[in-house]
Amino acid sequence: AQSVTQLGSHVSVSEGALVLLRCNYSSSVPPYLFWYVQYPNQGLQLLLKYTSAATLVKGINGFEAEFKKSETSFHLTKPSAHMSDAAEYFCAVSKIQGAQKLVFGQGTRLTINP
Amino acid sequence: EAGVTQFPSHSVIEKGQTVTLRCDPISGHDNLYWYRRVMGKEIKFLLHFVKESKQDESGMPNNRFLAERTGGTYSTLKVQPAELEDSGVYFCASSQGDTKLSDTQYFGPGTRLTVL
Repeated sequence: AQSVTQLGSHVSVSEGALVLLRCNYSSSVPPYLFWYVQYPNQGLQLLLKYTSAATLVKGINGFEAEFKKSETSFHLTKPSAHMSDAAEYFCAVSKIQGAQKLVFGQGTRLTINP
Repeated sequence: EAGVTQFPSHSVIEKGQTVTLRCDPISGHDNLYWYRRVMGKEIKFLLHFVKESKQDESGMPNNRFLAERTGGTYSTLKVQPAELEDSGVYFCASSQGDTKLSDTQYFGPGTRLTVL
């Protein structure tokens, strides 16, 4: 079985500050890991994914995440927050190889303060 | 290229009524998924089609939910009769189905269903 825990349903940072969104996973098999973002009134958009190649994964809009097997974590970071980063972020896990269902965390709503 | 589209964007119905949600995947995508997010909770998997066949329907909550994908193109999800606990946002996603690599799922904007 697989599961995902996102620590903090709401995170607030100042514009220009570091963004850190936490994700821990549980999986009995080697996982693939994903971060999706949902902007208001839009669908989920893939930010980045880990597929067992490089442990540090770079995504769109300046985001990156590091896969740490020993800590079962896949935290999302961005060095400098922008107002446009305000959205809800979802961490997800799947089994490897091919088309597999995603198991999501609860989501973290990110607010950027001017 | 058009993305995943869903119709309607919002639906408000009364308990006991029937509602049908539609999803049009990205052209050429064999895989189609339905997910649901009940307010305040995580997005949960409902089922997965490969072309017109149900590959995995382990997430379907009960027999009031019926999903179809005739011809392997668009899909419908019918709820009959609807109950209060069915309220939430229903997402559809599609993917190409690369068996060797990770398979990116592309999501639609969702249908917000409210059952009164």
